[in-house]
Amino acid sequence: GEDVEQSLFLSVREGDSSVINCTYTDSSSTYLYWYKQEPGAGLQLLTYIFSNMDMKQDQRLTVLLNKKDKHLSLRIADTQTGDSAIYFCAESLKRDMRFGAGTRLTVKP
Amino acid sequence: EAGVAQSPRYKIIEKRQSVAFWCNPISGHATLYWYQQILGQGPKLLIQFQNNGVVDDSQLPKDRFSAERLKGVDSTLKIQPAKLEDSAVYLCASSAIRGTWEQYFGPGTRLTVT
Repeated sequence: GEDVEQSLFLSVREGDSSVINCTYTDSSSTYLYWYKQEPGAGLQLLTYIFSNMDMKQDQRLTVLLNKKDKHLSLRIADTQTGDSAIYFCAESLKRDMRFGAGTRLTVKP
Repeated sequence: EAGVAQSPRYKIIEKRQSVAFWCNPISGHATLYWYQQILGQGPKLLIQFQNNGVVDDSQLPKDRFSAERLKGVDSTLKIQPAKLEDSAVYLCASSAIRGTWEQYFGPGTRLTVT
C-alpha cells in the first residue's frame, strides 16, 4: 500500500506492557522512527532504528523491525499514565519522511 | 539548546482571509520542514528547505500556499486565501544536515478557518 499504517487505538492498564504496531511502505527506508505527541504539543522523537538492525532497546522502549514484512513495533514496558499520548511511526528515505496516522494509547490506572 | 519556535500558537480566521505563520528552527539546522496535520491524521509534508533553497514542495497547494526562508534561518508559511479545509495544525521541524536526519518539531500553530 501507499500509506504507513497503524491501528488507531490501544488501551492498557498501568504497569502492563504496550505494543504499538506499524506497517511501512518502502523497503528502502533508511531509518524508522517513533514519535510521541501529547495534547497541544508538537511531535517528540522517542527512538529510531536503522534499517540494518532488527531490534533496539532504550530503557522501557523496545523497537522491533521485520524488514521482510515491513513491520515495525514499539513496546513500552511498565506503561505509566504519563505514557498516554498519540504515537506515530514514520519512515525516512534519508530526507523525505512519511508518517502514519498515529495510535492513541490510553493508560488506565 | 533552544527548540524549534513557532508563532502564533493559535489563529482563527474567516474563509478567504490570509494568514501567516512563523518558524525559527534550532540553531545550526540547515533543513527546515513545514507540515500540515489535520485532526486525526499524521503530519503531511508541505515543503522542505535546505538552507534557503526549496528541496521539495510537491505537496504544497501553490495556488494558495507560499513559503520562504530568505536568509536560511527563519521561515514563514502563508495561506491566501484560506479555505475551510485548511483548518489544521501547522508544524515546523528542523534537522541537521548530517546523521540520522531526525527531525525536531515545534509546538505547532493551530489554525481554525470559519
